[in-house]
Amino acid sequence: RKEVEQDPGPFNVPEGATVAFNCTYSNSASQSFFWYRQDCRKEPKLLMSVYSSGNEDGRFTAQLNRASQYISLLIRDSKLSDSATYLCVVNTNSGYALNFGKGTSLLVTP
Amino acid sequence: DAGVIQSPRHEVTEMGQEVTLRCKPISGHNSLFWYRQTMMRGLELLIYFNNNVPIDDSGMPEDRFSAKMPNASFSTLKIQPSEPRDSAVYFCASTPGGSIYQPQHFGDGTRLSIL
Repeated sequence: RKEVEQDPGPFNVPEGATVAFNCTYSNSASQSFFWYRQDCRKEPKLLMSVYSSGNEDGRFTAQLNRASQYISLLIRDSKLSDSATYLCVVNTNSGYALNFGKGTSLLVTP
Repeated sequence: DAGVIQSPRHEVTEMGQEVTLRCKPISGHNSLFWYRQTMMRGLELLIYFNNNVPIDDSGMPEDRFSAKMPNASFSTLKIQPSEPRDSAVYFCASTPGGSIYQPQHFGDGTRLSIL
């Protein structure tokens, strides 16, 4: 079983739609969680950290369910510029190393 | 502020040649990571350093791969001899260290093609 699992998609949604991505992780001892965004042929960039109580950054909301070992990302009012691959990221037992999911592809269409 | 700097951006070479990838972390960052990304396997951690010392190299594929960090501002990843299956995008990332809650910052990557 992979440490971090995501639905690869692609998710094709119209502009203005709300879309949600889910991610599960296998290490119950994990303590830090992130969502990264990766544009085609570019480097991953931090989108947001995920906190236990859930957190929001503009149109983006992240939730963490430790009991189910599940992380989610909600994007409201999708923009064309949101088209990218979204990577779910969880810390490992090895110091500051992180495990990256393979990503969920989002395409927002006009 | 300068981000993580990697070179070269692109490398095309023939099978059997030595390849050296370079990385300069963000100034003040104490942890440095080398990743490889392919369509099939996604982003895989190869090795990471903390305070210039290799901490976890369990992701290094085999003896053909080696990595060094001679000082806080420079690291290399070397492949010798290179093989076509090494073709991938190689990313370097750094983080301040000291907390697992700090995200990693990535360089632009090196796109490596082995013919």
